[in-house]
Amino acid sequence: SQQGEEDPQALSIQEGENATMNCSYKTSINNLQWYRQNSGRGLVHLILIRSNEREKHSGRLRVTLDTSKKSSSLLITASRAADTASYFCATVPYGNNRLAFGKGNQVVVIP
Amino acid sequence: DGGITQSPKYLFRKEGQNVTLSCEQNLNHDAMYWYRQDPGQGLRLIYYSQIVNDFQKGDIAEGYSVSREKKESFPLTVTSAQKNPTAFYLCASIAHPGQGNEKLFFGSGTQLSVL
Repeated sequence: SQQGEEDPQALSIQEGENATMNCSYKTSINNLQWYRQNSGRGLVHLILIRSNEREKHSGRLRVTLDTSKKSSSLLITASRAADTASYFCATVPYGNNRLAFGKGNQVVVIP
Repeated sequence: DGGITQSPKYLFRKEGQNVTLSCEQNLNHDAMYWYRQDPGQGLRLIYYSQIVNDFQKGDIAEGYSVSREKKESFPLTVTSAQKNPTAFYLCASIAHPGQGNEKLFFGSGTQLSVL
C-alpha cells in the first residue's frame, strides 16, 4: 500500500535555485529512500537515510528525516536543467522488505 | 555491464490476449519485483520474489502471474483477467533483502497499451 506522500506535487524553478520536496509517512520505518525518474525511464536510487539518522548529504542532495513527525525532505541545491525529473520517496516499514512509494514530485528546472 | 533488462520497450495487447513482459538481471540479486505505474501516480507492487521458485503477491496481483525458475529471470504475464492493463511496468531487484539496505535497481520499463 502507498505510504509516502510527497508535497508539493509539481515544482518549477529557475536554474541555480534550490528545490525542496517533502515526504510524509504513516508507520514506523527501517529506512527512507529517495529516487529519481526521468520521463519514460526506470527509477534511479539517489539516497537512503536510516531511521536513526537525521541528515544525510550526497553531492548537491541533502536529505533530512524527522521520525517524530514521520516526515522527510529532499533538497537539491544549485539546480540544473538536467535535474528535471520526477522524485519519489519510498519507505521500508519495520518487519517488511517491501518498499512503499509515494506519488512523486515533478520538478522542472528552467534554464 | 551489470543491470536489469526489460523487454520489449513497448507492447500492445489485444482483447482477451495474455502477454508476457520479460525481466532479466545479471546483478546476482536475490530479490526481484514488478511494479505498475499509472500516469501521475506512484509505483504499486504487483508481485515479488525473494528466492528462486518462490514469489508473493503484492498489492495489485489480480490479473497477473509470475514465475521465478531462475535467479536471473522474473517474467510477468498480464492475463486477460486484467481489465485495465494499460500502464508502465517496472521490474526491479535488491541484492539482499532484509538487511536494512534495500536499495532497488530498476530496469528501463515496458509500456503496455491495449489495442
